[in-house]
This record gives sequence, structure tokens and C-alpha cells, in this order.
Amino acid sequence: GQQVMQIPQYQHVQEGEDFTTYCNSSTTLSNIQWYKQRPGGHPVFLIQLVKSGEVKKQKRLTFQFGEAKKNSSLHITATQTTDVGTYFCAGIGVGSEKLVFGKGTKLTVNP
Amino acid sequence: KAGVTQTPRYLIKTRGQQVTLSCSPISGHRSVSWYQQTPGQGLQFLFEYFSETQRNKGNFPGRFSGRQFSNSRSEMNVSTLELGDSALYLCASRDVRSGNTIYFGEGSWLTVV
Repeated sequence: GQQVMQIPQYQHVQEGEDFTTYCNSSTTLSNIQWYKQRPGGHPVFLIQLVKSGEVKKQKRLTFQFGEAKKNSSLHITATQTTDVGTYFCAGIGVGSEKLVFGKGTKLTVNP
Repeated sequence: KAGVTQTPRYLIKTRGQQVTLSCSPISGHRSVSWYQQTPGQGLQFLFEYFSETQRNKGNFPGRFSGRQFSNSRSEMNVSTLELGDSALYLCASRDVRSGNTIYFGEGSWLTVV
């Protein structure tokens, strides 16, 4: 079945440094979504990408969907302590209805 | 609009017992999905219900079951609990008319002892 791999599993940065997490699917995706889960909280939807090569920005966050629609990335510029949490990507394979989550990247930020 | 509501938030059960968790979706959302979250396995899809019918199912044993009522509220049941069932169980609802975005509840923390 469809698998979504996410790296790195953990990332520790100093406040102000940049951060990137990568997501790779074993199959072509119809869309990919990103979620953030704060410590002790539940995943919260951030964004959805649908088009090949799509790039979307939300303030310091930049999301990309690969040309082949099999990979995606989330880049945070100049991290802040409020960015702490686990970032999940989740994709729906072409012809599928199941949303498959990556295992997430846990980001910690040292002030 | 109220968000996705899950009850109970925390519970402790003994091996061999069974447990029922409840989820009320966002008003107007007719799709409800359940996920199990553990530190080692991440977010794993259990099943999805739409209009009282199970649409999709993950790779979990038959001890895990669910149902959806006519008001879209959903329950999941785990029978013959095992220690490995200790996890955060997340319910998520979706408005199928407006896309694939799902909205999670705060989850039910289950500890099996």
C-alpha cells in the first residue's frame, strides 16, 4: 500500500535558524497536506497542495509540492520558539480516498 | 462552530477489557475518521465513516471496530484490550463537499494496564 516517508524524524535548532522537513510518497499523490501538532495537543491543518510544482507561503513557512507529485517539503525561515511541535505531511494517492500520514518531524527550538 | 469533540479525554483500562470512545464531528461534517497515535508508529488510520457506512479501513485487527449514527456522531470500540493498545485515539471530521481537509479533536488518551 501507499507509504509516506518523512525525514528527519527529529530536528533541534537554535532560535533564528532555518528548518526543513521532507516528505516522500511511494506513489503519486493527488494532493498533500501538512499538519502541526504542538506538544500535548492535536494535529492542526496548515495547508494543502494540489498542483505539480506548487509553492505556497504562510509568513515564515514555505510549502512545496514536487513536480512528480511524489514529494513535498516544509521550510521554516528564522525559527521561533512558537514553531516547536511535530510537523506531519499527509497524502492521498491518485485513485485512493485514504489520507496517509508520515511519521512526522519533531522540531525543538532552543531560545 | 464548535470543533470536534471527543470523550472521554483520559481513561485507564485493564488488559482484556473493552473500551468505547465517542466523537462528535463539526456540525455539517458527515465524514468521521479515527486514528491511533503512538510514539513509535505515528498516526495510523483506523477507519472512516460517511453516512453511517464504513468507507475505508486501515490495517488493524478486528478487535477495533466503529460505527456512525444518523447524526454523524461516531464511536469506536476496542475489545479484549492489550497493553499495546495504549495510545492517543484521534477522531477527525471532514466536510466532503469542500475537500479533503480534516479537523482533529483533542483525542482520547487510553492507557491499558
